[in-house]
Amino acid sequence: GQSLEQPSEVTAVEGAIVQINCTYQTSGFYGLSWYQQHDGGAPTFLSYNALDGLEETGRFSSFLSRSDSYGYLLLQELQMKDSASYFCAVRSYNQGGKLIFGQGTELSVKP
Amino acid sequence: DAGVIQSPRHEVTEMGQEVTLRCKPISGHNSLFWYRQTMMRGLELLIYFNNNVPIDDSGMPEDRFSAKMPNASFSTLKIQPSEPRDSAVYFCASSLKGPSYQETQYFGPGTRLLVL
Repeated sequence: GQSLEQPSEVTAVEGAIVQINCTYQTSGFYGLSWYQQHDGGAPTFLSYNALDGLEETGRFSSFLSRSDSYGYLLLQELQMKDSASYFCAVRSYNQGGKLIFGQGTELSVKP
Repeated sequence: DAGVIQSPRHEVTEMGQEVTLRCKPISGHNSLFWYRQTMMRGLELLIYFNNNVPIDDSGMPEDRFSAKMPNASFSTLKIQPSEPRDSAVYFCASSLKGPSYQETQYFGPGTRLLVL
């Protein structure tokens, strides 16, 4: 089977750096994606890692270690608008390439 | 592009009634996904289509749920009869599936369904 684990809640202050971890168990792992969802909104794509290492997109970075079945999303210079839920999702070719989402981490950014 | 379009945005119905949710994917995309989101179960994939053909419906909860994609620009998810436990937000997403697995799914705004 497949499973993903991420913290349910994280709180940080404006301007800070926060890291949201994701560990996964799956066979036929292909890549790890991150999606952001604001309250009442739809999930939107943030990043995708297929290879080990860090991918940077502006204030957001995502990291993957395939050997450790582990990844994280790093948010820098936090802003109030970053308050949202963040989902990691794995893509497995044993599952026809469909995305399996984690339960999400609710990030609260305080002033 | 208008993005993924879903209708209705909100639906309130009574137990036993038929509910039909509609989705128009982004033009040119060849994959379409139906998800359900609840607090208890998170974001669950119900079914997905590739080139209008259902590929994986293992997430469809039971026979009361059915989905169709008659053409590349339209899909429906039907619940008949509806039950209170079907209350959730239903998202449609589309993507352009290429030779690699690096594909971004674009989600619609969702349909918030409440079954009384």
